[in-house]
Amino acid sequence: KNQVEQSPQSLIILEGKNCTLQCNYTVSPFSNLRWYKQDTGRGPVSLTIMTFSENTKSNGRYTATLDADTKQSSLHITASQLSDSASYICVVLNASGGSYIPTFGRGTSLIVHP
Amino acid sequence: GAGVSQSPSNKVTEKGKDVELRCDPISGHTALYWYRQSLGQGLEFLIYFQGNSAPDKSGLPSDRFSAERTGGSVSTLTIQRTQQEDSAVYLCASSLMGTGGYEQYFGPGTRLTVT
Repeated sequence: KNQVEQSPQSLIILEGKNCTLQCNYTVSPFSNLRWYKQDTGRGPVSLTIMTFSENTKSNGRYTATLDADTKQSSLHITASQLSDSASYICVVLNASGGSYIPTFGRGTSLIVHP
Repeated sequence: GAGVSQSPSNKVTEKGKDVELRCDPISGHTALYWYRQSLGQGLEFLIYFQGNSAPDKSGLPSDRFSAERTGGSVSTLTIQRTQQEDSAVYLCASSLMGTGGYEQYFGPGTRLTVT
């Protein structure tokens, strides 16, 4: 069964600090892995998309890593800001029979305090 | 440009009633996805449309759920004989293509409450 596990479930940090969110997956066949940011009451917004051959990808203060061998990914947030408070969702797409179906993690709820 | 829009933003319905949720994807996007997000749960894939191909309905939880996409654009998700466990936020997303590597753009969702 395709699964995506995220940790921690929730995280509280002080403004300006760094943090790292983890994602482990068992999805096959693998197509790509995505990190989304979801603010309360809004739809998710994409941060990064990583394919099998990519080890790291950055988007501003967000840096995602992917280890396809161990099926692990991380999202590192540098110099956190209050606006980073949101849920961060790891999504893995599998490619099967021409369809690209996503499996979602439950997300990590990040709260940044001043 | 306009993003993905969904209507209504909120819907309260009585158990047993039918509801229709609408999604207007970004113009030109050939792929459209419906998801459900229950309280405290991750997003759950429901159905996927790609161009004129037959939709992938593998995520629909029961035969009370159905979806259509007319003219390759607007999509309607219909839930018949609603149950309380159908209460959730229903999200729609579209992408330029459905071949995996393209960005998905999400709408704001429809919050459905079944009383």
